[in-house]
Amino acid sequence: AQRVTQPEKLLSVFKGAPVELKCNYSYSGSPELFWYVQYSRQRLQLLLRHISRESIKGFTADLNKGETSFHLKKPFAQEEDSAMYYCALKDFGNEKLTFGTGTRLTIIP
Amino acid sequence: DTEVTQTPKHLVMGMTNKKSLKCEQHMGHRAMYWYKQKAKKPPELMFVYSYEKLSINESVPSRFSPECPNSSLLNLHLHALQPEDSALYLCASSQIGIGELFFGEGSRLTVL
Repeated sequence: AQRVTQPEKLLSVFKGAPVELKCNYSYSGSPELFWYVQYSRQRLQLLLRHISRESIKGFTADLNKGETSFHLKKPFAQEEDSAMYYCALKDFGNEKLTFGTGTRLTIIP
Repeated sequence: DTEVTQTPKHLVMGMTNKKSLKCEQHMGHRAMYWYKQKAKKPPELMFVYSYEKLSINESVPSRFSPECPNSSLLNLHLHALQPEDSALYLCASSQIGIGELFFGEGSRLTVL
């Protein structure tokens, strides 16, 4: 069965400092990985997906199959980045999306 | 319309009551989901409907009964719930095979 692990429940970073939110997964096939974000008083929403290889709001994430990781990075944190971040894995061939345990990111002004 | 709408926002029910949660989307999505989220925990998948057919049931107790009457609507019928079923119930929808889920704001359920 697939599993998604986010080792940090809480992460505090100073504004302007680099941010890295860790995500590790276990999955027997080729994974599809995503980062979802929930800002205060907003609904859960997609931030980015690995197949797009895009940068959203300055965030990037690279899938490392050797290390089974999909860490989320941003070079310079901004106060509006404070939120709950979930790494998620989608099964191949069906619609099952499994969320990691989540990391609450707080940016210190 | 790019939103998923859930009603009611809050629901309090006794253990012998029967109630339903409702979810609606008009984005043409053919996959719809129910997730359960307890406080300070991630969303846990309960059910997935693909093309209006139940495709995934994550071993959810039968006191939760999903229904997808058409491609825009998803219901979750509740009967004989337990206090530990109190949680935020999230509905989501997506295009088939894409993995980008659009979530509703949730229905907060309290079982007394």
